Amino acid sequence: QTVVTQEPSFSVSPGGTVTLTCGLSSGSVSTSYHPSWYQQTPGQAPRTLIYNTNSRSSGVPDRFSGSILGNKAALTITGAQADDESDYYCVLYMDSGIRVFGGGTKLTVL
Amino acid sequence: QVQLQESGPGLVKPSETLSLTCTVSGGSISSYYWTWIRQPPGKGLEWIGYIFDSGSTNYNPSLKSRVTISLDTSKNQFSLKLSSVTAADTAVYYCARDFPQYYDMDVWGKGTTVTVSS
Repeated sequence: QTVVTQEPSFSVSPGGTVTLTCGLSSGSVSTSYHPSWYQQTPGQAPRTLIYNTNSRSSGVPDRFSGSILGNKAALTITGAQADDESDYYCVLYMDSGIRVFGGGTKLTVL
Repeated sequence: QVQLQESGPGLVKPSETLSLTCTVSGGSISSYYWTWIRQPPGKGLEWIGYIFDSGSTNYNPSLKSRVTISLDTSKNQFSLKLSSVTAADTAVYYCARDFPQYYDMDVWGKGTTVTVSS
């Protein structure tokens, strides 16, 4: 059973930088897993921020960036704003074709 | 632009089969993975599975024995059936388009709430 791990919660000050991570319960995340990141606000469907490790979706501000840091995928928000307060989910694409979501990170901006 | 809309009963009895349909408008069914995802109240997202335009499917191993996803290209719709439901299947169910070349679930429906209760 593949488990994708994310920090349950994180806090950042307005204008600050925060890096959320996406790991595997066993093993390392690499570009081969094509990690993607989604932002979800209450009552709304998720929207893509980053796909395929580091490609920014259309209309997403450039303060959002994706990368691999060490053995995890990472989403970095540089210059956090109040409306970045959301839930963030990563998803990994497995060799078998199945997709696995992480448990999500609740980001607070205060 | 492409839009997705989920439809189906909002209430299902325990042990029965949950059935939902997603209607695709503004675009073609071809060359994408058509996907179902769910989110129990207050919890995270769970990938259920997808169907490709060829009809091939792939399901979450934890749900595989109970899930069927089908495609009706003539109606630009795809459907989800989940059998033997319990209260644990209560969730918001989303349909989404998965763009295989970009590894991106780039279009989502608004979601529909399904409650399992007698």
